[in-house]
Amino acid sequence: GAVVSQHPSRVICKSGTSVKIECRSLDFQATTMFWYRQFPKQSLMLMATSNEGSKATYEQGVEKDKFLINHASLTLSTLTVTSAHPEDSSFYICSAATGFLIDGNQPQHFGDGTRLSIL
Amino acid sequence: SQELEQSPQSLIVQEGKNLTINCTSSKTLYGLYWYKQKYGEGLIFLMMLQKGGEEKSHEKITAKLDEKKQQSSLHITASQPSHAGIYLCGADASSGNTGKLIFGQGTTLQVKP
Repeated sequence: GAVVSQHPSRVICKSGTSVKIECRSLDFQATTMFWYRQFPKQSLMLMATSNEGSKATYEQGVEKDKFLINHASLTLSTLTVTSAHPEDSSFYICSAATGFLIDGNQPQHFGDGTRLSIL
Repeated sequence: SQELEQSPQSLIVQEGKNLTINCTSSKTLYGLYWYKQKYGEGLIFLMMLQKGGEEKSHEKITAKLDEKKQQSSLHITASQPSHAGIYLCGADASSGNTGKLIFGQGTTLQVKP
């Protein structure tokens, strides 16, 4: 079945550093990838939509200069949290979509998420 | 913009009891997804509903979408501790299987052995 790999699963770093999170579709080509953020005991909030070869579309209130998204190929999107601060600590999760149902079940598959902790 | 409202926000049940979680949309749903999550972990896909009146079951979990496609329910029969977790409903933000979803706020389920 369709698999989306997200790496790293957990990262702890000092305030001011930049952190890159990768999202890969392992056995299908994803025309679109989505990045979500989840705060403790809250739901997933869509941050941005990433299309291969074009600029990402950010949701209202998400700083594009803070959260850099690159979708270099049909199987890889990256989210870079620049100059991270403690308030950026959160759980980040990506999903990959093809525009049609994958395995006949759903049009998107989710990675396992990245827990980011900024000290 | 479309919003999804889940109820209840949290639920504690005794093992073996049945329970229902509801998800209500402010607009007609193109597609409705149910996921299970343990906090800080990825989403486990449960079911997708697209047609009004549709009902799907997997093991002890049944999901329904009403005829008007604005409300869905997730029913667990004879709950077990393994059912504990956060249940999220998600909806297509637009038509066409784009993969872009909005989510309800989640329902945290605890099952007491």
